[in-house]
Amino acid sequence: QSVLTQPPSASGTPGQRVTISCSGSSSNIGSNTVTWYQQLPGTAPKLLIYSNNQRPSGVPDRFSGSKSGTSASLAISGLQSEDEADYYCAAWDASLNGWVFGGGTKLTVL
Amino acid sequence: EVQLVESGGGLVQPGGSLRLSCAASGFTFSPYSMNWVRQAPGKGLEWISYIGTSSSPIHYADSVKGRFTISRDNAKNSLYLQMNSLRAEDTAVYYCARRDPRSHAFDFWGQGTMVTVSS
Repeated sequence: QSVLTQPPSASGTPGQRVTISCSGSSSNIGSNTVTWYQQLPGTAPKLLIYSNNQRPSGVPDRFSGSKSGTSASLAISGLQSEDEADYYCAAWDASLNGWVFGGGTKLTVL
Repeated sequence: EVQLVESGGGLVQPGGSLRLSCAASGFTFSPYSMNWVRQAPGKGLEWISYIGTSSSPIHYADSVKGRFTISRDNAKNSLYLQMNSLRAEDTAVYYCARRDPRSHAFDFWGQGTMVTVSS
């Protein structure tokens, strides 16, 4: 059971916009920034979004993040086949004194 | 080019020990805090340990506290994870990850090393 809650799966067709939610609590998302990671099949995770809504250099602007209260969302617009991956949210948890991850959302491009 | 290369994984019996290493290159290692994150087969990511730039502070997830020890050698640009009293549930791919001091995100990850705990 992960501390942050994500839907296990999401799907969309090419060109569509999909969103992935991440729900936490006051000790993690509610008081700290949210990070999103993308894990392509068989590879290591890659930083996708940091500080709730910032993209590292090289990440397409099709990817965007937002946060409100104790929840966060990742939005992917103009869905492409190469976006098929697992997506994880994460945040520092002040109660646990460590980072916590969501269980991951497997995105399928139909 | 930033590179993190883990090594030391393998098959170990329950109750055994293993030491993982993470060799860093392509950046100045000492100013960055480092982490270990693991992923059990078919499961999600689990953060397990953090070490600050001068080996302090150090944090552990409850699941490994008292059994695992994180350390670093800035002169050798290396991060380590000593794993003792290993259990079947420790079976996972272990990743080292660099933490960016400005964003606090894990901005670079190694390719991972597989640890299998089985008799």
